Amino acid sequence: QSVLTQPPSASGTPGQRVTISCSGSSSNIGSNTVNWYQQLPGTAPKLLIYSNNQRPSGVPDRFSGSKSGTSASLAISGLQSEDEADYYCAAGDDSLKGVVFGGGTKLTVL
Amino acid sequence: QVQLQQWGAGLLKPSETLSLTCALYGGSFSGYDWSWIRQPPGKGLEWIGKINHSGSTNYNPSLKSRVTISVDTSRNQFSLNLNSVTAADTAVYYCARQNYFSSTSCFDYWGQGTLVTVSS
Repeated sequence: QSVLTQPPSASGTPGQRVTISCSGSSSNIGSNTVNWYQQLPGTAPKLLIYSNNQRPSGVPDRFSGSKSGTSASLAISGLQSEDEADYYCAAGDDSLKGVVFGGGTKLTVL
Repeated sequence: QVQLQQWGAGLLKPSETLSLTCALYGGSFSGYDWSWIRQPPGKGLEWIGKINHSGSTNYNPSLKSRVTISVDTSRNQFSLNLNSVTAADTAVYYCARQNYFSSTSCFDYWGQGTLVTVSS
């Protein structure tokens, strides 16, 4: 199983706001920043949010991230059909001296 | 425009060695770390390990005994070797650039992925 814990699925209707949670521990989220990746079907993951709440150039401001303690969240507002994808959280892990990922959340736009 | 292009054998038999190479186009090799990440079919992502331009490596402890990552800076390429593969190593393997901002880092560029299947 994955080091970081995410719900396996989430859903919403177009225009809605959805949030995806990511839970870790003091050695990863508790002491490092969180990144989020979006993976469309059959493609490589794409950086969506870095350093907890920063958006790379080109990522719509409908996507936002936050972190508190050993947990983090990704929020998507104004849900669109093209947001249907798998979303992964990731963080550095001081014990592993590497990167750990969540198990991924499959977002369905109803 | 930074691009990562990867290649390698897609079908292996148990006990063979997995070998993949990733080439960087349109960017500098120094100043970043270069990682391999894998994704078993229908499952999540697993970080395998990383290397920097000077050849310093760090591996996931769960794979450390079987993994070697190397770099050829003259060609802007880095490679993954995973020996003694089993069916559990069947996955899509990705190379990725690890970029650093202040005290944080992220994978900002990814290769296209290579499906490696281990089957007798």
